[in-house]
Amino acid sequence: DAMVIQNPRYQVTQFGKPVTLSCSQTLNHNVMYWYQQKSSQAPKLLFHYYDKDFNNEADTPDNFQSRRPNTSFCFLDIRSPGLGDAAMYLCATSKFTGADTQYFGPGTRLTVL
Amino acid sequence: KQEVTQIPAALSVPEGENLVLNCSFTDSAIYNLQWFRQDPGKGLTSLLLIQSSQREQTSGRLNASLDKSSGRSTLYIAASQPGDSATYLCAVSNSGNTPLVFGKGTRLSVIA
Repeated sequence: DAMVIQNPRYQVTQFGKPVTLSCSQTLNHNVMYWYQQKSSQAPKLLFHYYDKDFNNEADTPDNFQSRRPNTSFCFLDIRSPGLGDAAMYLCATSKFTGADTQYFGPGTRLTVL
Repeated sequence: KQEVTQIPAALSVPEGENLVLNCSFTDSAIYNLQWFRQDPGKGLTSLLLIQSSQREQTSGRLNASLDKSSGRSTLYIAASQPGDSATYLCAVSNSGNTPLVFGKGTRLSVIA
């Protein structure tokens, strides 16, 4: 089945140790998104790619970076994780624009020790 | 700046009841509105998408309505089942190119 896949599902890292989260999609969608979601909170958009065009949200900390080497893959890099970065990280895709139906992966739960 | 509010934050109902979840947004000039379901510890699943020109969308036991002028949407769930227990989030897009703005969701528990 076509889908959005995130690896790993659970990630534990130490304070300040860089970590990379991975997302892949078989939907061949143009747009890929990274959201951060903390407990009982709305998903917060960090950035998105429209094809290779990178769009950073104004309030996304510099500590968060992203790469999209091809249509299928997108990575979230956290350069120096702090305790406040512990959250669920959700990857999503949409076919053309932000207003299209978004398809989400299962998420990666990040724990920072 | 668009803000999306969902009330109540949590709702518990007995199995078989019909129920309504509410969503309100501050800027009525939306492009579309989407309803999602999120199971604990999981990603989001899209349920319904309503374009700004539409009044409602239906899928099975789910019916979503949109009143743009008043900045409100409702998600109606008929004959609720324990498997409907999840958090339901609504999200709006203000244009074809702007990302979604999400509410915090309503956590629904359907008791057998």
